[in-house]
Amino acid sequence: DAGITQSPRHKVTETGTPVTLRCHQTENHRYMYWYRQDPGHGLRLIHYSYGVKDTDKGEVSDGYSVSRSKTEDFLLTLESATSSQTSVYFCAISVDRGDEQYFGPGTRLTVT
Amino acid sequence: QQPVQSPQAVILREGEDAVINCSSSKALYSVHWYRQKHGEAPVFLMILLKGGEQKGHDKISASFNEKKQQSSLYLTASQLSYSGTYFCGTEISRNDMRFGAGTRLTVKP
Repeated sequence: DAGITQSPRHKVTETGTPVTLRCHQTENHRYMYWYRQDPGHGLRLIHYSYGVKDTDKGEVSDGYSVSRSKTEDFLLTLESATSSQTSVYFCAISVDRGDEQYFGPGTRLTVT
Repeated sequence: QQPVQSPQAVILREGEDAVINCSSSKALYSVHWYRQKHGEAPVFLMILLKGGEQKGHDKISASFNEKKQQSSLYLTASQLSYSGTYFCGTEISRNDMRFGAGTRLTVKP
């Protein structure tokens, strides 16, 4: 299994509070991704990174920001959480864009 | 745009075959297939690239019709372990991949 961890694995937070999710990899892969998964929508890309400090927006980036200060860590921040951001968040990594992606175990976020 | 998968759900007996389809309204650069078991992360199965190249597991087969922007995943002689939700991901270009809503496959003894 690819070495990908996510923290926290579960979080309940209140509307309006900031939340940061962490993805950590030990594979030294260049690309890292954040997805959200909701029933009926499959996986939707939020942001991705192609190197340290190099990030770009995905399909559903509004309300989210990311940072990558080290190859192994990719952070997803919800500046002011809303109930519509209740979801399961997956981090993924790949050697190159378009290569197979390896997913982390996911973080279940509930915004009340 | 999100690709369309069909069927949405299928139930099989062990040993039966199944086909899962994925179609896009736009020309595709590649198609990815993943399987996700309940409560777990998606797991890579196969990539099919424009031009015919494929990467993936030996026991999984799939096709990619570039002209029709369609891909099909073939599951033969299904086993209980095949149960899960199958997702296709389509790349219109190398900077944009979208996943379908998934096909839930249940294999019964």
